[in-house]
Amino acid sequence: EVQLVESGGGLVQPGRSLKLSCAASGFTFSNYYMAWVRQAPTKGLEWVASITNSGGSTYYRDSVKGRFTISRDNAKSTLYLQMDSLRSEDTATYYCTRGGMDAWGQGASVTVSS
Amino acid sequence: DIQMTQSPSSLPASLGDRVTITCRASQDIGNYLRWFQQKPGKSPRLMIYGATNLAAGVPSRFSGSRSGSDYSLTISSLESEDMADYYCLQSKESPYTFGAGTKLELK
Repeated sequence: EVQLVESGGGLVQPGRSLKLSCAASGFTFSNYYMAWVRQAPTKGLEWVASITNSGGSTYYRDSVKGRFTISRDNAKSTLYLQMDSLRSEDTATYYCTRGGMDAWGQGASVTVSS
Repeated sequence: DIQMTQSPSSLPASLGDRVTITCRASQDIGNYLRWFQQKPGKSPRLMIYGATNLAAGVPSRFSGSRSGSDYSLTISSLESEDMADYYCLQSKESPYTFGAGTKLELK
């Protein structure tokens, strides 16, 4: 069974950092692109970042470029999202998703507030 | 960036109804179009990929179609478990963009 389990969410002050992790199981992690998608409270879905299966290429939405870093450890079957210089508008549930978005984690809640 | 204009934003419907949700792409995206269902408090679920292909485990009452730059998700006979939010997504080029969503609710 394919499973994606996010961790690392929480309450953080503006300007601070947080790192999300996504542990994958049930499939060959290194064969798949991976992505992060977020959803602000009561809002729609928003793609954040993607990474190729080798980790050699990464892609970001403009609003997080230079602040967020997507990475992966294929040996540990784990996806990461390092979030720096957090802003209130980054408050959202962050979902880890397999490349084709055919599998999603349960989401990690991130609240940026003083 | 490619804009995805989704309509309607809200769709009241009755059980057994045939319903259609549409997304219009601002640029050519070919068949790089997916549809997702999201129920309250749950993660999204892939329903359709490649504009017309049913994802694994999705009931056959769901279907996807394309006419030019217009993409549609149709439910042939609405069931209670279909009440949810639906989103389209273009994955032709970065940044991937979702439609604003459609809330499907009982009339």
